[in-house]
Amino acid sequence: EVQLVESGGGLVQPGRSLRLSCTASGFTFDDYAMHWVRQAPGKGLEWVSGITWNSGIIDFADSVKGRFTISRDNAKNSLFLQMNSLRPEDTALYYCTKDFTGKWELTNVFDYWGQGTLVTVSS
Amino acid sequence: SSELTQDPAVSVALGQTVSITCQGDSLRTYYASWYQQKPGQAPVLVIYNKKYRPSGIPDRFSGSSSGNTASLTITGAQAEDEADYYCNSRDSNGDHLVFGGGTKLTVL
Repeated sequence: EVQLVESGGGLVQPGRSLRLSCTASGFTFDDYAMHWVRQAPGKGLEWVSGITWNSGIIDFADSVKGRFTISRDNAKNSLFLQMNSLRPEDTALYYCTKDFTGKWELTNVFDYWGQGTLVTVSS
Repeated sequence: SSELTQDPAVSVALGQTVSITCQGDSLRTYYASWYQQKPGQAPVLVIYNKKYRPSGIPDRFSGSSSGNTASLTITGAQAEDEADYYCNSRDSNGDHLVFGGGTKLTVL
């Protein structure tokens, strides 16, 4: 059974940093690209960032480019999102998602989702 | 605002057919995928690459595309289909992935 478990969320002041983690199980982690998708309270989904299996392709939404970095540790089946210079508008539930088919590319098909970790940016 | 446009809300009578649309220039080039999200739950993939259903998704869900519009059709809507539905694809430059704003489906 595929499982994605996010952690690392919490309350943080504007301008500070936070690092999210996602631990994957139930599939061969280094065979797939991975993504982060967020959802602000009561709002829609927003793709945040994606990374191919070997970190050869990394991409970010314009709203977080230059502030967030994505990385992965295939030996530990883990995905990370380092969030710096956080803003109130970054407040959201952050989902870790698995790419359905992409290994060498980032596709728009996310076949498994975690339950999310909540990030609240407020003073 | 999203580069993929969805109607905010759609309703359908129980057992009837409903289509949810997603419009955007990028859909002339790239396929759309569709996700169902029920309150308090993570999204679930229901259609990918325009028309394919993942295993476990009922065949009353189907997808299609024409020009700049992708559509998710539910034939014989059930009460359990009441949810928010999101399309996704690439932005108009093909650079980044984007989601539509979502459509809240009410089954009457």
